[in-house]
Amino acid sequence: GENVEQHPSTLSVQEGDSAVIKCTYSDSASNYFPWYKQELGKRPQLIIDIRSNVGEKKDQRIAVTLNKTAKHFSLHITETQPEDSAVYFCAAKAAGNKLTFGGGTRVLVKP
Amino acid sequence: DAGVIQSPRHEVTEMGQEVTLRCKPISGHDYLFWYRQTMMRGLELLIYFNNNVPIDDSGMPEDRFSAKMPNASFSTLKIQPSEPRDSAVYFCASRTLGLAGGPRADTQYFGPGTRLTVL
Repeated sequence: GENVEQHPSTLSVQEGDSAVIKCTYSDSASNYFPWYKQELGKRPQLIIDIRSNVGEKKDQRIAVTLNKTAKHFSLHITETQPEDSAVYFCAAKAAGNKLTFGGGTRVLVKP
Repeated sequence: DAGVIQSPRHEVTEMGQEVTLRCKPISGHDYLFWYRQTMMRGLELLIYFNNNVPIDDSGMPEDRFSAKMPNASFSTLKIQPSEPRDSAVYFCASRTLGLAGGPRADTQYFGPGTRLTVL
């Protein structure tokens, strides 16, 4: 089955700096890659997603890039703010309807 | 839309007791997923349904776990008997089939979760 690895597990940045989280996946048939943000004690919430027919997608301060050849995708957060502090999860969907999640990255934005 | 609804939000029980978690998916969604989240194992898919039919239960840890979806607006996850290692947050999520490749296809919406503690 699909295997998703996520790095780093923790990330500390100064407010205003950029944060980058990277994920790799194993199944070349995967075609959908969402990113979820989970604040402490809350549910995971979708922040951005990308499909395999697109190389990059941007939504205000967040962007996701996908390299199908290398089987990796990344989340970029620019101009980080304290409210960006949370755990971020990447995921991949291969054939079928199952999402396989990465292990999560705890992001701390220091004021 | 009220979003995915789960109950109870917190459950504390003693080892050996039966636990039933409940989920109401978003109206019109035809897929329902049950996940378990722990610090050690992260987010794990336990089982998912399509049109009330269980499709893949390969993530269900053992026979003590069972899930049902008697109709399109209700699902249960039961643990009998419960054990301390079952302590976790259990999330239910739903999605609609949507148009293939369309903006709503594939997106899973999570409920608020049930925090289960087995003493």
